[in-house]
Formats: sequence, structure tokens, C-alpha cells
Amino acid sequence: SAVISQKPSRDICQRGTSLTIQCQVDSQVTMMFWYRQQPGQSLTLIATANQGSEATYESGFVIDKFPISRPNLTFSTLTVSNMSPEDSSIYLCSAFNADTEAFFGQGTRLTVV
Amino acid sequence: GQQVMQIPQYQHVQEGEDFTTYCNSSTTLSNIQWYKQRPGGHPVFLIQLVKSGEVKKQKRLTFQFGEAKKNSSLHITATQTTDVGTYFCAGRGGYSTLTFGKGTMLLVSP
Repeated sequence: SAVISQKPSRDICQRGTSLTIQCQVDSQVTMMFWYRQQPGQSLTLIATANQGSEATYESGFVIDKFPISRPNLTFSTLTVSNMSPEDSSIYLCSAFNADTEAFFGQGTRLTVV
Repeated sequence: GQQVMQIPQYQHVQEGEDFTTYCNSSTTLSNIQWYKQRPGGHPVFLIQLVKSGEVKKQKRLTFQFGEAKKNSSLHITATQTTDVGTYFCAGRGGYSTLTFGKGTMLLVSP
């Protein structure tokens, strides 16, 4: 199994600013993803973080708003740019290999004021 | 693309009652996984089903994979308050594809 360390666990940010969330996996993983989740709601996939290339974004999410980096097979960042209160949510990173289950970070609870 | 539908969205039961959540995929799956997310937590893997018609049990939880490998169910017998949370299915269609259902939130009243 893999362990994912995600930070920060929570933050309160001013509108118009940006926040970068980091996820570190304790072993190399093939696939990494970023999700958004409102408390008690479903997981919404933001993008697939591709190692060494641009992330693949789902409909409704764009690189300018949610730039993602994945410099190697164990680390990824998600930036929430030019934040507004509508960006308040829980952000989760996830990872898996072809033959494993998905592992999740502990989540980042973001509040934009 | 692959879609995974999960019902019901929400269920509230009395402790001791049974609970079932259902998952249906638009395409044939190579396997299906189930996850549980406790309130305030992150999704945690429960089990994976691979074979057509497979049934697996974990104590009071019974997981089934349909014969056509397009649907699955999770049944909890005699729910307890510790079963509270959201249960997600996730269908694997290919090497890099793991599609989550929207989840079923289970609330258990003592």
C-alpha cells in the first residue's frame, strides 16, 4: 500500500490569492489525480496529473485556474488560483498503480473569504 | 467515456436494519472497487472484485459483482452506528481509468 501526505490540511485564504496544495507519496505511483469534494458530497475529478507533461483536465476545469505540476512519480501540486468563495471546498489527491487500489491524501479544507 | 452510476444517493436507517447500495457501469469493467469515507475523512479502500459473479464478504458487508461485470452491490446486514459514512464504488475500465460513482451516504440512527 501507499501512503500519501497532503498539506496543508486546511487553510483560510483571501479572495484573489492563490494556494498551492502538495501531495507526497511514499512510493512511486503511475497515476495521480486531483479531486474536489463538498462536505458530504461526491468526488469531482479535476484533472489527471501527468508526470513530465501537462495535466489532463476534466470538463469545467482549466489550467489557468488549477495549474498542476508533477515533476516525478511521487509528488504533485495543485494550485487554486485567483480564489473566490466558490472555490471553498475540500481538495483531495489520489494515486494508484495499474494493479492497485486508489489511495487518498487526507484532504485540504479550503475556505476563501 | 465510462460512466458509473450509484444509487441511492442517501439512505437513513435505524440501527439493526439492512442497507444496500448499487452501482452500474455504462461499460464492462475489468474490476470494481468499493471505498468508505467516514465523515471528515478521506475515502479508504474496502475491497476489489474481479471475477464475473464474484461475491466477497467482510463480516457484515457483502459485495457482489454482476455476471456481465457491469454492476455491483454492497449490502450491510444489521447496520451499526459505526457504519455511518459515504460508500463509493469505483469501476476500472482500463489501465489508467478508475471512475468513481457519486457515492451513497449512509446515516444510522441508534
